[in-house]
Amino acid sequence: DIQMTQSPSSLSASVGDRVILTCRASQDIRNDLGWYQQKPGKAPKRLIYAASSLQSGVPSRFSGSGSGTEFTLTISSLQPEDFASYYCLQHHSYPLTFGGGTKVEIK
Amino acid sequence: EVQLVESGGGLVQPGGSLRLSCAASGFTVSSTYMSWVRQAPGKGLEWVSVAYSDAGAYYADSVKGRFTVSRDSSKNTLYLQMNSLRPEDTAVYYCARDSKGPLYWGQGTLVTVSS
Repeated sequence: DIQMTQSPSSLSASVGDRVILTCRASQDIRNDLGWYQQKPGKAPKRLIYAASSLQSGVPSRFSGSGSGTEFTLTISSLQPEDFASYYCLQHHSYPLTFGGGTKVEIK
Repeated sequence: EVQLVESGGGLVQPGGSLRLSCAASGFTVSSTYMSWVRQAPGKGLEWVSVAYSDAGAYYADSVKGRFTVSRDSSKNTLYLQMNSLRPEDTAVYYCARDSKGPLYWGQGTLVTVSS
C-alpha cells in the first residue's frame, strides 16, 4: 500500500499569511494526487486534482504543485474561511490512501 | 445537480451488522466509480471501498471480508453491508462519486459500535 505523509500536522497562521502544506508519498504516484479541505461537521471538499489543477469554483489563492513523491498545497493569502483541516489523497492505486491531515488554526 | 444522501447509521453492538444506503440523484450510480470513506471521531479520513462501474469492488484491508458494497440500479442507490462490526469501525461514513478520487460527497451517516 502507498503511504501518504503530511506535514506539519498542525500550524497556526494569521489572516493574510502565505501557507505551504506538504504531502509525501512512499512511492512514485506521478501526479495522481488530490487535496481536500474539511471544516468541522462537514464533508470534505476537493480543492486540487491531478496535483496542480484547481477544482472549479475554488479560489485562485489555492494552488498545488509536485509530482512523483513530493507535493505541496499553497494558500497564497490565508482568509478567515480557510481555517480548516487539509488532506491529501493518492488515487494512483488501490487502496486509495489519505495523508494524516494538517489542521490550520488561527494565530 | 449531483446529490448524495446517506442513511442507515446508528448504534450497533460489537459483532452486529448494519447496512448503509447512499441515494444518488443527478447521475447514474451504476455507470461510475463510487467510494465509501469513513472518519472516526476526532480522526482523519480513511478510504474504505470502491464500487467499479462493472460491478467489481475493492476494499481496504481493515474491512476486507466483513464489508460488502453493492448497487441497486432501479433505486439509483449504493449500499455498504457491514458485518462483524468492531468498536474501531465507529465513524461517520461518507459515500462519494469518484472522478480521479472522490469528488462529490454526501453529508455522512454516523455508525457507533458499542455495547
